[in-house]
Amino acid sequence: DAGVIQSPRHEVTEMGQEVTLRCKPISGHNSLFWYRQTMMRGLELLIYFNNNVPIDDSGMPEDRFSAKMPNASFSTLKIQPSEPRDSAVYFCASSPSGGSGTFGSGTRLTVV
Amino acid sequence: AQSVTQPDIHITVSEGASLELRCNYSYGATPYLFWYVQSPGQGLQLLLKYFSGDTLVQGIKGFEAEFKRSQSSFNLRKPSVHWSDAAEYFCAVGGEGGATNKLIFGTGTLLAVQP
Repeated sequence: DAGVIQSPRHEVTEMGQEVTLRCKPISGHNSLFWYRQTMMRGLELLIYFNNNVPIDDSGMPEDRFSAKMPNASFSTLKIQPSEPRDSAVYFCASSPSGGSGTFGSGTRLTVV
Repeated sequence: AQSVTQPDIHITVSEGASLELRCNYSYGATPYLFWYVQSPGQGLQLLLKYFSGDTLVQGIKGFEAEFKRSQSSFNLRKPSVHWSDAAEYFCAVGGEGGATNKLIFGTGTLLAVQP
């Protein structure tokens, strides 16, 4: 099992540009989560999906953020337009029903 | 609302010494509780979890945690710390409705290990 796979590992972009983060969950896991980690705010849950359906997106900071899960093996988190305050490490995690999450290695986003 | 407090931001212990990391939670019913460890540049790895039953939970890497309802605590312990245990440790509680898939994390405790 390759675990939760996130890409890219690092992303540097200019303010105003669109950024897309990608996640491949563990096969058979039916829940997927996007977290953001910063020094100031710690780990924050942005959104989670159950069976590809968004269940709770109350953690999504602004309309500039959007997430999709078109199928059970892929999810994206998009920021458009990006701002310097979006700089953070973004984690994707997946879990089986009723289980605890397995985290990916994260995407370190820097917006300059 | 559910919340998790980790009172110690940074702890330093000597290699071979015992360790206890504190975690207090706020939750209206029986919580689902977790400890994760994060090494630099890595994602979070699950150390152990408590759902129900025996209040003393054994995890990986020689860690254990004890659920104490009366104190709303779920402290992490290890009898003898190794240098490789240096990392950041996060306590988390299951979210609304006891769901294990929506976790609220504490702010973390950074553990340093002295030789």
